[in-house]
Amino acid sequence: QQPVQSPQAVILREGEDAVINCSSSKALYSVHWYRQKHGEAPVFLMILLKGGEQKGHDKISASFNEKKQQSSLYLTASQLSYSGTYFCGTEPPPSNTGKLIFGQGTTLQVKP
Amino acid sequence: DAMVIQNPRYQVTQFGKPVTLSCSQTLNHNVMYWYQQKSSQAPKLLFHYYDKDFNNEADTPDNFQSRRPNTSFCFLDIRSPGLGDAAMYLCATSGGGVNNQPQHFGDGTRLSIL
Repeated sequence: QQPVQSPQAVILREGEDAVINCSSSKALYSVHWYRQKHGEAPVFLMILLKGGEQKGHDKISASFNEKKQQSSLYLTASQLSYSGTYFCGTEPPPSNTGKLIFGQGTTLQVKP
Repeated sequence: DAMVIQNPRYQVTQFGKPVTLSCSQTLNHNVMYWYQQKSSQAPKLLFHYYDKDFNNEADTPDNFQSRRPNTSFCFLDIRSPGLGDAAMYLCATSGGGVNNQPQHFGDGTRLSIL
């Protein structure tokens, strides 16, 4: 079952913040976040496994709610290099299989 | 640098003419995946290998086959490509078994059908 991402697209000015959401109707085993620039491979950002977990590096962080049905990706003080399409990849239970179902993507455009 | 390499980057084939896409990895990862990504859409898993164990997705057309002769290489064969098979094909790997490991993607092969 494909997760639902929102919003579909975001346009920001450099230095502004953005939040991208990923929702599932059922509890998940894990959530992965990737960024893909046009014509390039998706690049791994982070994995969240535990309900209530928050993690991040530099100005990109993410959370996974207690029920493990929603994850959010936070981009703070955005830079031009943050532009691209962000995908969440969800791993349904009952066990971790390594198989991901990707959301439809959120296109982020950061303008000078 | 260790990486996932896909060849060729661009492939043009004729309607109905078999085509093979290749993927190699220097990461020594157990798991290899093939995804199909159409324009402005999410990557869609076609199949994956856990070591030599092949796992086909239920909705992957029979037209698509795969081979993994060894740990490093994996091939995607499209037996009779149709116009609807034009897409980017992404290969990915993950290591340490499948437990909570990120997937490392190759740059993809963009397939065009004439």
